[in-house]
Amino acid sequence: QQQVKQSPQSLIVQKGGISIINCAYENTAFDYFPWYQQFPGKGPALLIAIRPDVSEKKEGRFTISFNKSAKQFSLHIMDSQPGDSATYFCAASVSGNTGKLIFGQGTTLQVKP
Amino acid sequence: NAGVTQTPKFRVLKTGQSMTLLCAQDMNHEYMYWYRQDPGMGLRLIHYSVGEGTTAKGEVPDGYNVSRLKKQNFLLGLESAAPSQTSVYFCASSWADRGLFEQFFGPGTRLTVL
Repeated sequence: QQQVKQSPQSLIVQKGGISIINCAYENTAFDYFPWYQQFPGKGPALLIAIRPDVSEKKEGRFTISFNKSAKQFSLHIMDSQPGDSATYFCAASVSGNTGKLIFGQGTTLQVKP
Repeated sequence: NAGVTQTPKFRVLKTGQSMTLLCAQDMNHEYMYWYRQDPGMGLRLIHYSVGEGTTAKGEVPDGYNVSRLKKQNFLLGLESAAPSQTSVYFCASSWADRGLFEQFFGPGTRLTVL
C-alpha cells in the first residue's frame, strides 16, 4: 500500500514532442505528489509538485495532471527539448511532521534532436 | 551556500569492512534523510531525522546505522559492508512549509562493495 508505481521505465521522444510519464498509488492518505528531475551524476531536484485539491498544475512546459478517484497522476512535458533528457521520479507523501517520500521507480527520458 | 554536500564521492570496500558517509547541509534544515538508489528501484529511504539528536528507520534500514549529533550533519554508517550494499547513496535535507517538504539532495556517493 506504500508503493508508487511509475511507467514507462524509459521513453524516447523527438524534439518538440510531448513526453508523458504516469504514476499510480494505493495509499489514499498521500496528499503531496512531487516530481523530481535527475541529471546523470547529480542528485535529484524538485521539478514541480501538486496537492490533491487541484486536478492540474502547470509550470512553464511542465504540467502535472492529477486524478484522485483513479489514484493516478502524470507529468506532461510539452515541446520536449534535448536538455530535458534526464531521469524523472514521481513521489508521494503524507504531509505532516516527517516529510518522508515514497518514490516511483524512475523514467529515463531521451529527447532526440 | 554549498547546499547539501556528501563525503566521499566514491568508495570501494571489501566485504566486512566498515565506513561512514558524511552529509552536511548549510540551510539550517531540521529534517535530513538518507536514500539509496538502485537501477529500476527508484530511491529508497534508509533512515531519516526530524531534528538534532533524533533518528528513525525508513524502508530499508537493515545493515545501516545513523547519527545526528549536530543539526547540520547526518552520518550514515555501514558496520560490516556486504555486496548487496553496492549502490549510490543520496542525502537530502528539508524544512517544512505548511506541512510540505521540498527535499534538497546532495550529489551522491557511489559505493562498491567487493
